[in-house]
Amino acid sequence: ETGVTQTPRHLVMGMTNKKSLKCEQHLGHNAMYWYKQSAKKPLELMFVYSLEERVENNSVPSRFSPECPNSSHLFLHLHTLQPEDSALYLCASSPDRGLVGYTFGSGTRLTVV
Amino acid sequence: ILNVEQSPQSLHVQEGDSTNFTCSFPSSNFYALHWYRWETAKSPEALFVMTLNGDEKKKGRISATLNTKEGYSYLYIKGSQPEDSATYLCAFTRNTGGFKTIFGAGTRLFVKA
Repeated sequence: ETGVTQTPRHLVMGMTNKKSLKCEQHLGHNAMYWYKQSAKKPLELMFVYSLEERVENNSVPSRFSPECPNSSHLFLHLHTLQPEDSALYLCASSPDRGLVGYTFGSGTRLTVV
Repeated sequence: ILNVEQSPQSLHVQEGDSTNFTCSFPSSNFYALHWYRWETAKSPEALFVMTLNGDEKKKGRISATLNTKEGYSYLYIKGSQPEDSATYLCAFTRNTGGFKTIFGAGTRLFVKA
């Protein structure tokens, strides 16, 4: 365990389903991130939260909706996804927005059918 | 366009071989360069964070160098072992009034016993 815990590890959902991914860290970090990794592509940044405020949204479709209720928890709410959204979704945290060296979770492998 | 290029894409070596990979990044607005090691079914793990031109870091048999003026970093593994088999990611953070981190696609290393 790295200190960043993601659940579930695997998720299969239909295109009409609503589901949520959860990320939790108790490292005292102030910044949290959602990344997407599709096959043979680099990690793509989706959202950044710093001190519970969303500071970056990289043109992500509205069918992905992040939520950061406190500095330890980050959610990614999913609804009406498409098969091309199937990917590995990684959560990460860092001490603050400017300090590098992310701590990553193990990811959620999402399959949309 | 900001790209982080890693080469080679994959590499097969024998146990005991020494190897190195390259990460190329834009040389302007440099803030930091980081290397991660990502084993299958695990979380990416931070290896090094480098911020100064000429930085050299070492962790056991793994070392890295940084040239911010020409925009490249090398990762070296001395005497590769099967447990070194993983994907090695580099990421470039720039600071243009805000921080942005871009990942390369990684170099996949296979070490055969």
